[in-house]
This record gives sequence, C-alpha cells and structure tokens, in this order.
Amino acid sequence: DAGVIQSPRHEVTEMGQEVTLRCKPISGHDYLFWYRQTMMRGLELLIYFNNNVPIDDSGMPEDRFSAKMPNASFSTLKIQPSEPRDSAVYFCASRRQGSQETQYFGPGTRLLVL
Amino acid sequence: GENVEQHPSTLSVQEGDSAVIKCTYSDSASNYFPWYKQELGKGPQLIIDIRSNVGEKKDQRIAVTLNKTAKHFSLHITETQPEDSAVYFCAAKDAGKSTFGDGTTLTVKP
Repeated sequence: DAGVIQSPRHEVTEMGQEVTLRCKPISGHDYLFWYRQTMMRGLELLIYFNNNVPIDDSGMPEDRFSAKMPNASFSTLKIQPSEPRDSAVYFCASRRQGSQETQYFGPGTRLLVL
Repeated sequence: GENVEQHPSTLSVQEGDSAVIKCTYSDSASNYFPWYKQELGKGPQLIIDIRSNVGEKKDQRIAVTLNKTAKHFSLHITETQPEDSAVYFCAAKDAGKSTFGDGTTLTVKP
C-alpha cells in the first residue's frame, strides 16, 4: 500500500490567498484526521471524519478553516483567507474502524504564508 | 476530555545507554497507547503500541510498559544508536480520537 498521500508537500503563498491541502487515506480506512504541527503548539487535532462524516471539528481554529471529505478516498483542508500564523506542517492520518486500531500519518504539507 | 503529559521534553544520552520517556493520561476510558517516532521532515511513524489488557510489550530494543491504575505508560529504548535520535510522541486513545503528548526530543551522542 502507498500509505497516506498528501499534496502538495510544500506550499508558499501570500497572506489573503486561499490554500487547499489534499489527502488520500489508506484504502479501506474508515477514519481520517487532519493535524497541524508547530513548534509552539505541538501536534493539534483539527478535525476528524468517520465514514466521510465530520465527527469532531472542535480543533478547527477559525471559520477561515474548512474541511471536506466528499468520498472515502479524498479529503481537503482549506484555509481562506490565509494568514502568516497559519504557517505550519499539516498532517493527514487515517485508520481502520476499531477502538484499538493504529493511525498512520502522511508525510505532511509544509505551509508558509508570507 | 483526555489530557496527556509527556516527560522529559528533551533527553540526551550516550550511544549504548538506555532512554526512558514517560507519559501520564487522565481518562480511564483510554484503552490504546501508541508511541510514534518523528524524524526531521517526516510524519510521525508508529514504533510500538500497547493495549489496555497488557502490562508490557517488547520489540527488539524497544519496550513499552503500562500501569492502568496509575494511568501512566513508558517507552524504553535500550542500546541506543544515533539513528534513534528523533522526536517521540506518546498518545492515549478512547472513542474516535487520540490525544498526543507534547513530544520528547531524543539525542543520541556517538
């Protein structure tokens, strides 16, 4: 299996622009998670989906952030408009159904907002 | 909700020595405790996990112990090597999501 796939791997944009991050989970996985990682705040859970349905979005920092999962093999995290403080590494992770199943992380998207 | 505390935040050891990282959690409903290793520029990768019905698990130089009564679990790395240098995260999971510790930066000096 190819693992969790994220694109782009790096993104540099200017403040105010829209940013879209993409994730393809591992085939057969029922859960998908979006995380943000910074030096100051560590690894933060933003939102997670089960069977394409958002379950907990309490970690989404502001209305500028939105996430969708239109089907089992694709999810997007969108920031509009982007701000310099959004600069971080964004990880997508997925896992199978089951209380003791392991999450597998993608390689991350490194976002820099100037 | 769940709260996970991880100590120490940084750890430096000499090659060949052992390293121990400790985590505590707050929610007794948590039943799955994975450990992740994150190398520079990469996503966290699972290295070992333990489930709530097991007290200890070992995989070559890595072992994890769990004390459910005290709500703490630990990662033990023996015979450390320079390639063990990375950031290590513990996590505790209940229901749908995992709560992560803040990470430990391990440096193994040759």
